[in-house]
Amino acid sequence: GAVVSQHPSWVICKSGTSVKIECRSLDFQATTMFWYRQFPKQSLMLMATSNEGSKATYEQGVEKDKFLINHASLTLSTLTVTSAHPEDSSFYICSARVGESYEQYFGPGTRLTVT
Amino acid sequence: KNEVEQSPQNLTAQEGEFITINCSYSVGISALHWLQQHPGGGIVSLFMLSSGKKKHGRLIATINIPEKHSSLHITASHPRDSAVYICAVLGDSNYQLIWGAGTKLIIKP
Repeated sequence: GAVVSQHPSWVICKSGTSVKIECRSLDFQATTMFWYRQFPKQSLMLMATSNEGSKATYEQGVEKDKFLINHASLTLSTLTVTSAHPEDSSFYICSARVGESYEQYFGPGTRLTVT
Repeated sequence: KNEVEQSPQNLTAQEGEFITINCSYSVGISALHWLQQHPGGGIVSLFMLSSGKKKHGRLIATINIPEKHSSLHITASHPRDSAVYICAVLGDSNYQLIWGAGTKLIIKP
C-alpha cells in the first residue's frame, strides 16, 4: 500500500524555538495533505488541510502564524511549530490523499515535547 | 452529542475471544475508515468502507448505511491485537474525517 513517512519521529525542543516536521508520500503523489494533532488519550484533531501549491486551510482555533504549513511539492508537506511552548507538546500526524480519492494514508506521527 | 460514537470505550478480553467494536455516526458520509493505533502512536489504516463488508485476515468490517452503523470484528483475538481502534467517517459535504474517540482493546494471554 501507499506509504507516508514523517520526520522526525520524535523531537524535544526548548520553549521559544521552532520545530519543523516533514511529511512525505513515498510512492505516490499527494494532492492533499492533512495535519492532525493528538493530545494524550484524546481523538485526533484536524489542524489544517493543504493542497499542493496553495495556502493551507486552517481549522477554527488553529493559529496559522504559529503552525506554518508548506506544501511545496506533490510529495512533501511541512509543519513548522514556531516559538514552541510546552502546551504545544503533542503528537502530530499527517495524512495524504490522492486526487479526489476517499483513501487517506497516514504517517507514523511525530511526538513533540517542548521543555 | 458527538457525530461519531464508538462503543465500548474500553474492552478487555482473553486471547481467542471474538471481538466486536461498534461505530455509529449521525452525518451523511462518503466512506468510513477503521484505523488502529498502537501505544507508540503510529496509525495504520485497516479498512475503508462505503458499503457492505470487507475482510482482511482475522479482521472483518461491516457497514450498514441506512442505520449509520459500522462494526469491526476480530476473530481469534491475540495479545498483539491490543491497540486503540478508531472509527473515522468522511463527511459527504467535504473530505474531512470526523473521528470517533477510539476503543482501547486489551487482549490478555
